Amino acid sequence: GQQLNQSPQSMFIQEGEDVSMNCTSSSIFNTWLWYKQDPGEGPVLLIALYKAGELTSNGRLTAQFGITRKDSFLNISASIPSDVGIYFCAGRRSSNYKLTFGKGTLLTVNP
Amino acid sequence: GAGVSQSPRYKVAKRGQDVALRCDPISGHVSLFWYQQALGQGPEFLTYFQNEAQLDKSGLPSDRFFAERPEGSVSTLKIQRTQQEDSAVYLCASSPTGTVNTGELFFGEGSRLTVL
Repeated sequence: GQQLNQSPQSMFIQEGEDVSMNCTSSSIFNTWLWYKQDPGEGPVLLIALYKAGELTSNGRLTAQFGITRKDSFLNISASIPSDVGIYFCAGRRSSNYKLTFGKGTLLTVNP
Repeated sequence: GAGVSQSPRYKVAKRGQDVALRCDPISGHVSLFWYQQALGQGPEFLTYFQNEAQLDKSGLPSDRFFAERPEGSVSTLKIQRTQQEDSAVYLCASSPTGTVNTGELFFGEGSRLTVL
């Protein structure tokens, strides 16, 4: 099935560093979401974006809805060990309830 | 419980066996989804219920897959004559009225199916 292009696939960073990851699509989405999945758990919603150009923050997390509606990025500032996990972007079209997910970015934070 | 509950958490089946995976959504949530997550991949849509009505089953990989939600609450995903390619984590998600169109889903922990 179709999946979004998410990069990077994995990141190894030191505690305190900032992190950036992004997601692109060949088609337009009207909603972009970012989820985090810990091992053995289901994805948990971090941030939802509903308008092109929108920039939204949730604590140390900041996400943007690209102006073309074909991309989104997620930044994490001052990373901490509990940020470890897999981050997924997901897109939704206006006429559809389905979410299309990226393949995920595996984040490892070295204390 | 407060969250989406799935059982069993782990299931090992021999090729050809039938399996049934259960999902208890958050109480009062109208919408219920099943997603399949293969190893190293993101979740992929299988099917969607609004109350007891299955409105979309376009993501079910074959006619061996069947889902139901007879009373608009608990849902069961059944896989007949399992094959090795069915090995994956099966995620259930629910959402209350009004948020299904925003994509804000609440996921369960998943049922990991391994077919030998």
